[in-house]
Amino acid sequence: GDSVTQMEGPVTLSEEAFLTINCTYTATGYPSLFWYVQYPGEGLQLLLKATKADDKGSNKGFEATYRKETTSFHLEKGSVQVSDSAVYFCALSDEGENAGNNRKLIWGLGTSLAVNP
Amino acid sequence: NAGVTQTPKFRILKIGQSMTLQCAQDMNHNYMYWYRQDPGMGLKLIYYSVGAGITDKGEVPNGYNVSRSTTEDFPLRLELAAPSQTSVYFCASSFLGTGESGKLFFGSGTQLSVL
Repeated sequence: GDSVTQMEGPVTLSEEAFLTINCTYTATGYPSLFWYVQYPGEGLQLLLKATKADDKGSNKGFEATYRKETTSFHLEKGSVQVSDSAVYFCALSDEGENAGNNRKLIWGLGTSLAVNP
Repeated sequence: NAGVTQTPKFRILKIGQSMTLQCAQDMNHNYMYWYRQDPGMGLKLIYYSVGAGITDKGEVPNGYNVSRSTTEDFPLRLELAAPSQTSVYFCASSFLGTGESGKLFFGSGTQLSVL
């Protein structure tokens, strides 16, 4: 079945460092891909998404490009801030023929990021 | 905007007790979901609903029940709590489901311990 694999954390960086969080997926068909972020003590919120190959999602300085050839959707940010400390989840939306309008999200395990001043 | 509101934030149950986790959204979303988040295990879908009066099982429904009598509310009932149900529970909602343009809005979670 479909699955999402994220790099294990925790990831610890200094402020202004470059961030990459790897995400690869296995899916039949043409899934949509998402990054969600969970700040301490809060629920998850959508960070960015891409719906087809070569699309780039971006938000708050974060970017991720949908790479069909490598089945990847790596999250990047050029200069992280302390306020970026959170858990990041990669997810895909099952776009199978029988999914209808309620395609369920399949989640990675999350990657914890800590940014030190 | 309140968004998705979950209560309580924390709860400790004894084995065999029952409780209801409340979830309400004020965005007129059709779709609502219950997830559990175990440490290092990502999110697992318990139940979901595509509208008032319609519910369906997710990946891990055993030991739980739901109802959806109104668009706004989607309570999760735990009967005969077991230690395996110790987890953080998240309610979420969306307008178009989790398709290409779908976007889930999450509550802040309920941390449940069963001892």
